[in-house]
This record gives sequence, structure tokens and C-alpha cells, in this order.
Amino acid sequence: ILNVEQSPQSLHVQEGDSTNFTCSFPSSNFYALHWYRWETAKSPEALFVMTLNGDEKKKGRISATLNTKEGYSYLYIKGSQPEDSATYLCAPAGSNYKLTFGKGTLLTVNP
Amino acid sequence: NAGVTQTPKFRILKIGQSMTLQCTQDMNHNYMYWYRQDPGMGLKLIYYSVGAGITDKGEVPNGYNVSRSTTEDFPLRLELAAPSQTSVYFCASSSRTGLTDTQYFGPGTRLTVL
Repeated sequence: ILNVEQSPQSLHVQEGDSTNFTCSFPSSNFYALHWYRWETAKSPEALFVMTLNGDEKKKGRISATLNTKEGYSYLYIKGSQPEDSATYLCAPAGSNYKLTFGKGTLLTVNP
Repeated sequence: NAGVTQTPKFRILKIGQSMTLQCTQDMNHNYMYWYRQDPGMGLKLIYYSVGAGITDKGEVPNGYNVSRSTTEDFPLRLELAAPSQTSVYFCASSSRTGLTDTQYFGPGTRLTVL
């Protein structure tokens, strides 16, 4: 079972602000890192899967980077909008087909 | 496209009762998973399956059983419900590679054990 830390636990920003949060995980036995977006009363939806050190992924205003050597990933949101309000989960994967989910960062974007 | 479907959406059980949470996917995915979500905690893996006829324990399997007789279905059974099993249960599936492929989640089942 991997020890996955996400920070901050929660975050309030104003519409238009850019923000970022962190996922830390053990760098050993690393296979992939998943980011999911989870809106209240809905199911988690995949944002990115990253595998290589230095990977960067982008989807619209959301982007992510990966550092496998030091065991962290950053998620960035540029120009936050109220519809970005959600819990953002990271989940590193080891070689045993299992994802270990962090507790998430709850983002609230105020209009 | 239905994706991953779960039934029921809500259920209240008395201590000691049993029930089966149903999960079906129509994406022909080999990998299927059951998670539980407790307040303030991350998703915890209960059981998973890498194909029909093959299941294995996750992080928190005690009190649950699963079966995988077809590619599409992966039911989760609670034999003797306990208050500690009050949670939201999510079923998910992913395609062949499992580790690097996206997991698709169902809408969840909210279970309360009184």
C-alpha cells in the first residue's frame, strides 16, 4: 500500500485565479500516476495518466507535471472557473494493477 | 453509451442482513474494481478482477465477497452487514493494460447499515 499525500486538503480561490496543488508518493516501485476530477454527487472522471519522469499533460486550462525521481506531481489550473470546483484525486499505480488514491484536494472557485 | 452501471443507488440495511451490489460495464473491459469511499478518506480498494473467473483482494476485503462469471458483471456481496460497512461504494473498470489505462467509474451506491 503506497503512502499518498495530497496538499492542500482544500482550497478556495476567486474566479480567474490560477492555482496548483501537489501529490506526493513513494518514488520506488512507481509505474504510473493518475489524476481524477470528482464533482460532488458524481463519479470520478479521469484527467491524466502519466508514466515518464518529466511528463507534462494538458487538457484545456488544466495541466499536470510528473517527477518520478523525487515522487511528486503538480496539477495546475489556469484562470479558475466556478465549474472547476471539484475534488482532485491523484493515484499512483504500482506493478500490481492497483491504484492507491490520495484523499484529494477540494477546490472551490468563488464567482 | 451506458459505461459502468451500478444498482441500487441507495440502500439501508439492518445489522446482520446481506445484500449484493450489482455492477455492469458494457465496454468489454477486462479489469474491474470495487472501491469504498468514507468521509475524509481516499477511495479504498476492496476487490478487483483482471478477467472473468479471476478475482483478488484489495486493501480492505474483510466482510465482502465477489465473483466474476462474465466480462460484464462484477457483483459485490455483503454477507453480514455491519455499521462499519456504511459507505459509498464505487465500481470501476479499465481496459486491457489496467495500470496506465483510465478507470471508468459507476455512479456509486450509498449504503447505510443501522
